[in-house]
Amino acid sequence: AQSVTQPDIHITVSEGASLELRCNYSYGATPYLFWYVQSPGQGLQLLLKYFSGDTLVQGIKGFEAEFKRSQSSFNLRKPSVHWSDAAEYFCAVGVPSSNTGKLIFGQGTTLQVKP
Amino acid sequence: DTGVSQDPRHKITKRGQNVTFRCDPISEHNRLYWYRQTLGQGPEFLTYFQNEAQLEKSRLLSDRFSAERPKGSFSTLEIQRTEQGDSAMYLCASSLGQGAEAFFGQGTRLTVV
Repeated sequence: AQSVTQPDIHITVSEGASLELRCNYSYGATPYLFWYVQSPGQGLQLLLKYFSGDTLVQGIKGFEAEFKRSQSSFNLRKPSVHWSDAAEYFCAVGVPSSNTGKLIFGQGTTLQVKP
Repeated sequence: DTGVSQDPRHKITKRGQNVTFRCDPISEHNRLYWYRQTLGQGPEFLTYFQNEAQLEKSRLLSDRFSAERPKGSFSTLEIQRTEQGDSAMYLCASSLGQGAEAFFGQGTRLTVV
């Protein structure tokens, strides 16, 4: 069965510092890969997605992610964090062979930004 | 278009009562999803509609849960005989098709007391 692991439950970084959030997945082939962000009281917003092609994907709000097949990883990065980035971040996979488009989410990483 | 809307935003109910939630997807989206999110966890898939047809249900969706999407527009999720373990955020999402971005609503937070 497909699964997603986000090893870091909580991360704190200083404003202006770089950020990397880790995501590992379990799936027999290359899945569709997504990063979503959820602010308190809000729904999930898509930051970026990877289906195929260039393994470095650019997203909104200055985020990028790199797909590494050999490590089954899809880590999210940002070179300089802003206080408004404080939120919960979810990595998710979709199964290309399934026609439903349903997503399997990791348990999330809470990002705290220090002034 | 204001995106995916869910109603109510919050619901407190007594154990054993029935509750119904509504989701209005983005108008041209033919796919609609329900997810459940408990505290400290990521969303978990519950069920999927393509137009009015419910094509997949998770094992999480016990027989106390029922979802409908009449006419392929809005959807309702009903929970009968609620239990404390049903307390969670219920999220609705819609998309245009396989691989298309899923847009999420703000969710309905259910508390069963």
